[in-house]
Amino acid sequence: DAGVIQSPRHEVTEMGQEVTLRCKPISGHDYLFWYRQTMMRGLELLIYFNNNVPIDDSGMPEDRFSAKMPNASFSTLKIQPSEPRDSAVYFCASSPAINEKLFFGSGTQLSVL
Amino acid sequence: QKEVEQDPGPLSVPEGAIVSLNCTYSNSAFQYFMWYRQYSRKGPELLMYTYSSGNKEDGRFTAQVDKSSKYISLFIRDSQPSDSATYLCAMRDSGSARQLTFGSGTQLTVLP
Repeated sequence: DAGVIQSPRHEVTEMGQEVTLRCKPISGHDYLFWYRQTMMRGLELLIYFNNNVPIDDSGMPEDRFSAKMPNASFSTLKIQPSEPRDSAVYFCASSPAINEKLFFGSGTQLSVL
Repeated sequence: QKEVEQDPGPLSVPEGAIVSLNCTYSNSAFQYFMWYRQYSRKGPELLMYTYSSGNKEDGRFTAQVDKSSKYISLFIRDSQPSDSATYLCAMRDSGSARQLTFGSGTQLTVLP
């Protein structure tokens, strides 16, 4: 298995633009998580899905952030409009069960100018 | 106060040294304790997993949990340059819906 695949690896955009981050989880994993990592706040859980259904989105910072999982092999995290304070590394992770090991992707480095 | 505190480092040691990485926490409900290793420009990967108090050893790595002090440690023996990475502690309670709480990470460099 190729592991969790995220795209793009790097995204540079201007303030106010829409940004879409993509994730393909490991096949057979029922749980998908979106995390954000910054120097100041460390690794923060934004939202997680179980069988394509959002379970807990309490970590989503504000309405500008939205996430979808239209099928078991694809998820998106969208920021509209983007702001400089959204600059961070965004990780997608998947796991076969809620309390099982997390498998992380390599992340998307987002820079909002 | 954060739920999980971790010395940010950076920590630099010579090859072959014993490394001690530590986290303290405030939530007495935490039961499961993990250490993740994160190489530069990569996602974290699970290194060690322990339940409740005690020690767990895996090769050169030993994870130690002291619930009475709310303190966990990761020891690396005979450290190698390939151990250079950021180490994040993570923990959760026994509730099935509870997610991981991560420390901020300690950046380790092992010098050849």
